[in-house]
Amino acid sequence: DSGVTQTPKHLITATGQRVTLRCSPRSGDLSVYWYQQSLDQGLQFLIQYYNGEERAKGNILERFSAQQFPDLHSELNLSSLELGDSALYFCASSLQAGPYEQYFGPGTRLTVT
Amino acid sequence: AQSVAQPEDQVNVAEGNPLTVKCTYSVSGNPYLFWYVQYPNRGLQFLLKYITGDNLVKGSYGFEAEFNKSQTSFHLKKPSALVSDSALYFCAVTTGGGSYIPTFGRGTSLIVHP
Repeated sequence: DSGVTQTPKHLITATGQRVTLRCSPRSGDLSVYWYQQSLDQGLQFLIQYYNGEERAKGNILERFSAQQFPDLHSELNLSSLELGDSALYFCASSLQAGPYEQYFGPGTRLTVT
Repeated sequence: AQSVAQPEDQVNVAEGNPLTVKCTYSVSGNPYLFWYVQYPNRGLQFLLKYITGDNLVKGSYGFEAEFNKSQTSFHLKKPSALVSDSALYFCAVTTGGGSYIPTFGRGTSLIVHP
């Protein structure tokens, strides 16, 4: 158990809908990362938050947004969903925003129908 | 820009034999290198990292990796493979001067045969 929790585990929704994925980092970790994993694209970095502030952006679509709350949990919002958004979404956390190992949650499997 | 290549999609090895999973990288500046393992329906799990110092890094579950600067490689090794080592292995690289966001390789599926 990595200490990172993600909810829900599975999500099935229709095209055009909006969903929210939730992540709680390991106790003491200040940095949270979101990744998308799919068979064709591999593991793609979406966005990083550090102590409540956005730190880095990767290949995140404009339809996606995220935030980190004062208690350090984070939410990833996906809107106007398309079939191609079906993937595994992982949250990871690390102690600081540096060359630290990341601890990954179990992921949320999103299926868009 | 930084990049990672895992040249083998799949590695097959017999239980008890040594295993190697290959990784090469490209960065501007000093690399920070990581190996992660992913079991089916699970998140990635940290195995080991190279930041600085000894080129041979030891990690979890008997795995080790050798940093080779001249060959820009960071191959993962284990002297004696177990069936339970069968999983997907990811190499990742990052470098300083920014946000330290790692770039992950495409992954190598390790299959250990009994």
